[in-house]
Amino acid sequence: DAGITQSPRYKITETGRQVTLMCHQTWSHSYMFWYRQDLGHGLRLIYYSAAADITDKGEVPDGYVVSRSKTENFPLTLESATRSQTSVYFCASSTGEGTEAFFGQGTRLTVV
Amino acid sequence: QKEVEQNSGPLSVPEGAIASLNCTYSDRVSQSFFWYRQYSGKSPELIMSIYSNGDKEDGRFTAQLNKASQYVSLLIRDSQPSDSATYLCAVNIRQAGTALIFGKGTTLSVSS
Repeated sequence: DAGITQSPRYKITETGRQVTLMCHQTWSHSYMFWYRQDLGHGLRLIYYSAAADITDKGEVPDGYVVSRSKTENFPLTLESATRSQTSVYFCASSTGEGTEAFFGQGTRLTVV
Repeated sequence: QKEVEQNSGPLSVPEGAIASLNCTYSDRVSQSFFWYRQYSGKSPELIMSIYSNGDKEDGRFTAQLNKASQYVSLLIRDSQPSDSATYLCAVNIRQAGTALIFGKGTTLSVSS
């Protein structure tokens, strides 16, 4: 039971580079989410998706792009990384609207 | 005002005591409420969900919901050092569609 997996677990990138964080779930959950977690801010919603080809902005979407061509995958792309995007990124999935979300292991991203 | 508010703590209790964690939310029509536990360096894990007014008990944990007061709490009885973690309150907020919005978390420290 693989559940939900994120890759890479750790990433260091330079300012201005494009970077993609991957998220894959094996549960066939309809809903998937991307959060970032920063000291003093807690978990903040970046983007979410209710189904394949349906995505919507969360609290802090600027500088990020998502896609969902397949139900099981929900990659998050930083088009031009900035130092303020240094954070821990969590992907999550759930079965339905307003139901409990299950989290991946997280990706620690450092932008230098 | 953030949509989900928690006291950041730290909340310190001795082993065997009751720990009480509180959360308020802004959206009167929210229907789903969750408590997650997060150990340092790990991803959030679900410990309780509650959807109706009143109390819900699961082992040493009791979640309490009062929709009229827009208040949800978590009681941990017989606190153990292994309960030391950050506790995150999550609420389904209308403006976020299907996603959960999290409070900043309360750090609990249980001393032996």
